[in-house]
Amino acid sequence: EIVLTQSPGTLSLSPGERATLSCRASQSVTSSYLAWYQQKPGQAPRLLIYGASSRATGIPDRFSGTGSGTDFTLTITRLEPEDFAVYYCQQYGGSSPPFTFGPGTIVDVK
Amino acid sequence: QVQLVESGGGLVKPGRSLRLSCAASGFTFSDNYMSWIRQAPGKGLEWVSFISGSGSIIDYADSVKGRFTISRDNAKKSLYLQMNSLRAEDTAVYYCARLGLAAGDFDHWGQGALVTVSS
Repeated sequence: EIVLTQSPGTLSLSPGERATLSCRASQSVTSSYLAWYQQKPGQAPRLLIYGASSRATGIPDRFSGTGSGTDFTLTITRLEPEDFAVYYCQQYGGSSPPFTFGPGTIVDVK
Repeated sequence: QVQLVESGGGLVKPGRSLRLSCAASGFTFSDNYMSWIRQAPGKGLEWVSFISGSGSIIDYADSVKGRFTISRDNAKKSLYLQMNSLRAEDTAVYYCARLGLAAGDFDHWGQGALVTVSS
């Protein structure tokens, strides 16, 4: 099983600031299969980034993803009020299970 | 636009069964792998199962293997999850999700169906 670790657990920032979220895998992940999701309270997750660095349809360009191998990063260049949420990374390609999620990073208002 | 609508959630006693459904619209259902993902109250996301477009390829998380069965009816554009021998630890919101073209990410999600297993 590929275990994903996200850091920090909570990121307290102000609107307009830059957010940098980390996702580390226990073994190498094929970049095509690393994704990031945003989840707000009471809502389903929403795909932000797929293939480590490609933005999903309708996602603003303040969201960007980078990384390869075992280290991946989600960056939000200037936080908007609607960006305060929980962010999960997810990989595909391990065995049993083939899909795993990280524990999430909470981005909250400072 | 792509829409996924789950139904069938509710309160059920331990050891009993429940069947979730997911009605899909806005895309060619049979072209896509589909999946179920769950989220226990206040917890993170856990992948449960996936099924290929034709239904010929299926996989399950170890935590549900032998108890849950995923299926689909492409004519009805519907995805199902039959859950047997339910346990308290199966309590969660269950999301139906479409796998993206590369089949590595979940590009659309339903609103979720709450399943509560309690006596």
